[in-house]
Amino acid sequence: DVKVTQSSRYLVKRTGEKVFLECVQDMDHENMFWYRQDPGLGLRLIYFSYDVKMKEKGDIPEGYSVSREKKERFSLILESASTNQTSMYLCASSLPGQPQHFGDGTRLSIL
Amino acid sequence: RKEVEQDPGPFNVPEGATVAFNCTYSNSASQSFFWYRQDCRKEPKLLMSVYSSGNEDGRFTAQLNRASQYISLLIRDSKLSDSATYLCVVISYNQGGKLIFGQGTELSVKP
Repeated sequence: DVKVTQSSRYLVKRTGEKVFLECVQDMDHENMFWYRQDPGLGLRLIYFSYDVKMKEKGDIPEGYSVSREKKERFSLILESASTNQTSMYLCASSLPGQPQHFGDGTRLSIL
Repeated sequence: RKEVEQDPGPFNVPEGATVAFNCTYSNSASQSFFWYRQDCRKEPKLLMSVYSSGNEDGRFTAQLNRASQYISLLIRDSKLSDSATYLCVVISYNQGGKLIFGQGTELSVKP
């Protein structure tokens, strides 16, 4: 079974802090993705990566950056957290063109 | 117009009922289609792929209509445990193979 592990289930941070969300997958998948999910807006793609050290902007990259130094790890960085970044963050991985497998999600609250 | 559209519901049905969801997509180059299920406060999980000829998995039947650009999910003999949000997902290879998620359709099965 594919295992996608996100570092925290719940996280509370303050406005202006730099926040790191970590995601690790154990199936040697090339593709990794970061989404946020908000009521009424569905899943929105923030960034994705098709290979090590490669990244592409998704639909809502503003205020975020990512890092993929190793194939199994994809980190999402909130450079200076703001209250409108309070959300559920979901990491996913897949083989090219195949369905994505999701982590458990991180509920991030920015106070 | 959204790339993938679903009726958000909620669909409230009694146990044993048959219920069907539709999902329309705008990109005629879309090539792969899936249904995901998401339980409250959990991550999305792959329910089934959707094949051109239609496919069945137990009580679940998925169909694709390329001419009208929609996919459907039929659930027969609904169980209480079917209560969840069902997400329609489309991959369009002319968009770099990104998965495009619908906002989801909420199903509530009542005793």
